[in-house]
Amino acid sequence: AQRVTQPEKLLSVFKGAPVELKCNYSYSGSPELFWYVQYSRQRLQLLLRHISRESIKGFTADLNKGETSFHLKKPFAQEEDSAMYYCALRGDSGNTPLVFGKGTRLSVIA
Amino acid sequence: GAVVSQHPSRVICKSGTSVKIECRSLDFQATTMFWYRQFPKQSLMLMATSNEGSKATYEQGVEKDKFLINHASLTLSTLTVTSAHPEDSSFYICSARSTVGANVLTFGAGSRLTVL
Repeated sequence: AQRVTQPEKLLSVFKGAPVELKCNYSYSGSPELFWYVQYSRQRLQLLLRHISRESIKGFTADLNKGETSFHLKKPFAQEEDSAMYYCALRGDSGNTPLVFGKGTRLSVIA
Repeated sequence: GAVVSQHPSRVICKSGTSVKIECRSLDFQATTMFWYRQFPKQSLMLMATSNEGSKATYEQGVEKDKFLINHASLTLSTLTVTSAHPEDSSFYICSARSTVGANVLTFGAGSRLTVL
């Protein structure tokens, strides 16, 4: 079964401080991992995906298969990063949907 | 980029009535659309997978007779909440995967249903 765990409901950091949003997953095959972000009063949007290996808005995430983790990191948080962040997993068979974690609300304090 | 439109964004209805929510892919074709439900301060829960031209696949615990899904064209999927009750009040979000390109989902803005 696919499962995504985000242990923190809320994470508050000061502006300029490093951020790490934790995500662990459970899946027997080779999943594809994503981070989605939802800013206040906006729709859910893709932030990044592990196969792209890119940095978006200063955020990066590395898939660690040994630890089954896909933590989202940013070295210096900005106020505009305040949002709801969802980690999501997609299985490797056919046309499978995304399974989401419960989300972590990031609050960056000035 | 790919855009998914949902309509209506908000709807209030009386208990016992049916409500239809539309999900359209505006600039791409979507063979598959997914319907999610989001309760306040909770995550998105997958309800069903909508496949163009065939029956939807429902997740365990989702009543297919209550949440009717129709995906009649490559750009439109509809979710009808039949005989709505207050417990059906929720935020319903659709997403679509393009027939061209990578396995990235584009999400609609969501539809907030309130059943009185």
